[in-house]
This record gives sequence, C-alpha cells and structure tokens, in this order.
Amino acid sequence: AQTVTQSQPEMSVQEAETVTLSCTYDTSESDYYLFWYKQPPSRQMILVIRQEAYKQQNATENRFSVNFQKAAKSFSLKISDSQLGDAAMYFCAYRRGSKSTFGDGTTLTVKP
Amino acid sequence: EADIYQTPRYLVIGTGKKITLECSQTMGHDKMYWYQQDPGMELHLIHYSYGVNSTEKGDLSSESTVSRIRTEHFPLTLESARPSHTSQYLCASSDRVSTGELFFGEGSRLTVL
Repeated sequence: AQTVTQSQPEMSVQEAETVTLSCTYDTSESDYYLFWYKQPPSRQMILVIRQEAYKQQNATENRFSVNFQKAAKSFSLKISDSQLGDAAMYFCAYRRGSKSTFGDGTTLTVKP
Repeated sequence: EADIYQTPRYLVIGTGKKITLECSQTMGHDKMYWYQQDPGMELHLIHYSYGVNSTEKGDLSSESTVSRIRTEHFPLTLESARPSHTSQYLCASSDRVSTGELFFGEGSRLTVL
C-alpha cells in the first residue's frame, strides 16, 4: 500500500521569508500524481500545487514550488515570500487511479 | 471556489439519533468521496463512489452508509450516532480526467453527546 509521510508536524516562518515543507512517499508505481493541499482553519481545503510523476520539471505556482525527487520519493513544498494568509495545515497527497493517500499534515504558522 | 457543498456545517446531537450529512456538487464529477478527519490530523477515506449506484467502503472502517442515486448528490448516514462518531467529515469530488485533483466541501463538524 502507498504511504505518505510528513515528518514535520509543525513549522513556523517569519513573514516574507521562505519555508520548505517535507514529504516522502512510498510506491512501486512509476506513473502517479502528487499534490499539496492547504486547509486554513475552519475553511475549505484547496489545491496548492500538483506534480505529475512523468514530468521531470518541478511544478511552480506563483510563490509555491516543489522539489520533486522521483528516485528518492521526495516531494517538498517551498513557499517563498510567506504571507499571513499562508498559515494553514498543509497536506501532501499521492494519487494513482481514483484514490488518494494523504500524509498526516504540517501546521504552518506565519509570524508577523 | 469549488462548487461542492456540505450541510450542515455544524451539528450537535444526542447518542442514538439518526443523522444524514448532505454533500452536493454542481461540477458533474463522477467520483465522490467521504473523508473523516479528527482535529489536526490526517484524512481517512471512509466511502467513495465512481458514479451513480456505485459505492464502496474506504480504508477506514466506518459504521456510516452512503448512497449515490444522482450524480451530484452523495449523502452519508449514521443510523445511530455515538460519541465515537464525533469528528469532522469532508466530502470531495473529482472528474474523470486523471489529473486527480480533489475538490473539497467545507466540512461537517459532528459532535455526539
């Protein structure tokens, strides 16, 4: 079975600084998708960024980028120029077919 | 904003009551999911559906049941609620294309006294 591990239960970052959230996963498949989702307090979970495993290029969405290391099965999220609105719980997720596997989440605090 | 809606957002009920958590999406997605999430913790898949009249149990055993009579509607029912059912329940959907992004509702926070 696929597993997703987020080794940082909590992280904090100063506003305008950069922070990296870690994620590793275990799979024997070669074709799959990886995601980072953001869940603000008492609000809807939304997609932050998506990476297709067959693509070597790391995905980027504005201030959010990933470091995808397929051989190492690592998928970290970098948030640049952190903003107060980035404070949330972040989930790393693996998906192959129709089912997703989520990590335990990392709670990110942004200090003004 | 994703077009997926859950009601009620918050519910406090007594033990033994029957409850139904509603989930509707207007995106025409075939796949729908129910996740259980305890505060500050990971999501556990409890039910999913790949289309009308298709429902499956997820990875986490649950005493709840689901139905999928219409594409847009995926309600979850607890016949007799217990305090152990206290949790947040998230509904999600995705389309047939295998990009795989999940669209989530805002969640239903259930407290059973």
